[in-house]
Amino acid sequence: DTAVSQTPKYLVTQMGNDKSIKCEQNLGHDTMYWYKQDSKKFLKIMFSYNNKELIINETVPNRFSPKSPDKAHLNLHINSLELGDSAVYFCASSRPQHGELFFGEGSRLTVL
Amino acid sequence: GNSVTQMEGPVTLSEEAFLTINCTYTATGYPSLFWYVQYPGEGLQLLLKATKADDKGSNKGFEATYRKETTSFHLEKGSVQVSDSAVYFCALDTDGSGNTGKLIFGQGTTLQVKP
Repeated sequence: DTAVSQTPKYLVTQMGNDKSIKCEQNLGHDTMYWYKQDSKKFLKIMFSYNNKELIINETVPNRFSPKSPDKAHLNLHINSLELGDSAVYFCASSRPQHGELFFGEGSRLTVL
Repeated sequence: GNSVTQMEGPVTLSEEAFLTINCTYTATGYPSLFWYVQYPGEGLQLLLKATKADDKGSNKGFEATYRKETTSFHLEKGSVQVSDSAVYFCALDTDGSGNTGKLIFGQGTTLQVKP
């Protein structure tokens, strides 16, 4: 069983389209995250949710909208995709006061 | 602001060679420090961590010591294997407690181990 699973794994789309990436964790963690990894493998946090509430929003453009229907799921919707959105998006989760993040395998988004 | 700097890669070693990957940081307060590893096609996994000065984290033969005086957290392994080939990320938790999950990552160092 995959602890943190993301779908889709690969996504190729045109500029201007809207797309979503879904994430689910079966670890019972309260906190979930979205990280973005660019082409140089640089990783940066985008959002963090704790028990369905947004707690970190790192000045990400409004075109990115995370949604957490319950504490086991955190989805990422992106409107009006731009070339610069091409990246690998990683979902992660953690327990409170534990310090370790568990990452999914990533979703590679390519915007043409 | 907070930042993490790692040595440029790729690092190419022969099997059984000694590995050092340098990591230095800039942070206010007392951050927790981490090494994560990313194998090809996979997400990141925690390799080891240290939460206070002079702590040594260790796992799978890898070690790193939290050096506050030099603001460093260098990763070492005495004898690398081909299976250690991966990208290694140094990171710090800005909260200092290791609890926020808001990690600041270095740029990653690719390690290639040849048989």
